Amino acid sequence: NAGVMQNPRHLVRRRGQEARLRCSPMKGHSHVYWYRQLPEEGLKFMVYLQKENIIDESGMPKERFSAEFPKEGPSILRIQQVVRGDSAAYFCASSSDSMNTEAFFGQGTRLTVV
Amino acid sequence: EDQVTQSPEALRLQEGESSSLNCSYTVSGLRGLFWYRQDPGKGPEFLFTLYSAGEEKEKERLKATLTKKESFLHITAPKPEDSATYLCAVIQGAQKLVFGQGTRLTINP
Repeated sequence: NAGVMQNPRHLVRRRGQEARLRCSPMKGHSHVYWYRQLPEEGLKFMVYLQKENIIDESGMPKERFSAEFPKEGPSILRIQQVVRGDSAAYFCASSSDSMNTEAFFGQGTRLTVV
Repeated sequence: EDQVTQSPEALRLQEGESSSLNCSYTVSGLRGLFWYRQDPGKGPEFLFTLYSAGEEKEKERLKATLTKKESFLHITAPKPEDSATYLCAVIQGAQKLVFGQGTRLTINP
């Protein structure tokens, strides 16, 4: 049973480009969460999605960031027109029903903006 | 606002030297407290979930306990492979986790 799969593991983008981060949840999990970890900072919640629905996006920056979890395929975190401050590790987690149960994290995507 | 504070920020121990990590929380109506382990360059690895004061859970050399204001992660006779950053988090609102800054634990052989 594969764990939460994120790709790519490392992503380098120039300022102004777009970054697309992918997350495939664990088999049987329909709840997906994205977190960001800035250098020397803790994990911060960004968005919570279920299939085809955004449930809570209170941690998402208002501009340039968007997320989706389509009926088929992985969840996508999209960052448009990246800036140096977007450089961070982005982690995806999934759970079977709610965060009251075990939530499993992927290995993360490390985004570097040059 | 819900808050999670972990102490100490960093801890160095000798192999076999037992100790405890602290996680203090302020949350309206605790619905769950999580402990994770994170190795450098990796994602958080789930360890425990605690739901109510007085609850305890154990896994190998680790034991997590919970009171109404804080949680402790006790490490008994640690080994170098226990070196990692240990993260504490509480559930906020419907589903999201609020994390502390973590305790960076180093076990010297």
